[in-house]
Amino acid sequence: AQRVTQPEKLLSVFKGAPVELKCNYSYSGSPELFWYVQYSRQRLQLLLRHISRESIKGFTADLNKGETSFHLKKPFAQEEDSAMYYCALLGAGNMLTFGGGTRLMVKP
Amino acid sequence: GAGVSQSPSNKVTEKGKDVELRCDPISGHTALYWYRQSLGQGLEFLIYFQGNSAPDKSGLPSDRFSAERTGGSVSTLTIQRTQQEDSAVYLCASSPSSGRVETQYFGPGTRLLVL
Repeated sequence: AQRVTQPEKLLSVFKGAPVELKCNYSYSGSPELFWYVQYSRQRLQLLLRHISRESIKGFTADLNKGETSFHLKKPFAQEEDSAMYYCALLGAGNMLTFGGGTRLMVKP
Repeated sequence: GAGVSQSPSNKVTEKGKDVELRCDPISGHTALYWYRQSLGQGLEFLIYFQGNSAPDKSGLPSDRFSAERTGGSVSTLTIQRTQQEDSAVYLCASSPSSGRVETQYFGPGTRLLVL
């Protein structure tokens, strides 16, 4: 079975502070992991995926197979980063298994 | 270009009634997915279509739920004899192919409320 856990439902930081949104997964095969973001009144959209090893909007995420984690990080949070963030795993089949989501609030 | 579109954007229905939700994927995308976003359950997979292959229905919660995809494009998700626990946002997504790392593009969702 595949499972994604985001332990924090809400994360509140001040502008300019570092942010880390945690994601842990459970999957017996070789996982492909994604971070999706949903800004207020907008549709869910891809933020980044581990296979690309890219940085989007200052965010990065490293796959740690030993710890089965894919935490999302940004060194300096901005107010416009406030959104709902979902970690997702593409395991068996082609469907995404999502974590419960973390609401990030960046305070001025 | 146009993204994934869904209709209606909101639907209020009475318990026991049937509802149909529509998804128009991005033109040329061969893969189409339905997910459900509900309080307490997060985002959960419902069903997946790829081209003309038989759909993967493994995520459908009960036999009251069904979906079809006509002509490899538009998809309709039907919920029969709706229950209050069916209240959720139903999201549709499409991707260019069934490639393992293809990005899924999501629609705005249909917010269903069952009274």
